[in-house]
Amino acid sequence: QQQVKQSPQSLIVQKGGISIINCAYENTAFDYFPWYQQFPGKGPALLIAIRPDVSEKKEGRFTISFNKSAKQFSLHIMDSQPGDSATYFCAASQMDSSYKLIFGSGTRLLVRP
Amino acid sequence: DTEVTQTPKHLVMGMTNKKSLKCEQHMGHRAMYWYKQKAKKPPELMFVYSYEKLSINESVPSRFSPECPNSSLLNLHLHALQPEDSALYLCASSQASEYQEKLFFGSGTQLSVL
Repeated sequence: QQQVKQSPQSLIVQKGGISIINCAYENTAFDYFPWYQQFPGKGPALLIAIRPDVSEKKEGRFTISFNKSAKQFSLHIMDSQPGDSATYFCAASQMDSSYKLIFGSGTRLLVRP
Repeated sequence: DTEVTQTPKHLVMGMTNKKSLKCEQHMGHRAMYWYKQKAKKPPELMFVYSYEKLSINESVPSRFSPECPNSSLLNLHLHALQPEDSALYLCASSQASEYQEKLFFGSGTQLSVL
């Protein structure tokens, strides 16, 4: 119930291509869905986040698509660049006193030049 | 200043040693966190401090002892660790813990237990 399932585990994309990472959840009480980006040797950094009252959010080349009925959300990276090569974690949380962000298992993205 | 600073960056310790990890933020955040991250895995929550009081302990073994001396500082005291405790230890902060709208993570301390 508390899990967030993320796929694929790893992804290789050519420069300029579209990277797509998918996540699915079970807990319908989740109401906040962030994506974190982590480079080697660094801590994760918030990339973009969405709430379930909208179906899409775009920030530059990064877009979250959210499907509430399917309990799925995805990250699209347009015009992927070698500098986007990193590990991406989706996550989910709910607005209560639990404090806890539930992370997906992570996707290692490699963008080839 | 939007940084969470962690020291040391690397730490090697024996199983009988006592060491401490330090974390500092000057963003006025009132919630601070310790996470543990194994290679190729997501971060796992260990402790949450809210307004300098321990609010969450995710059933962490007592060989890990957190401390929050003030609203800007967070320590993690380590004693009698096991080799399986080797991991990246991440500190994070957020404006409030009731709703983790944005976590700011430090770069972590890479811990090796021999």
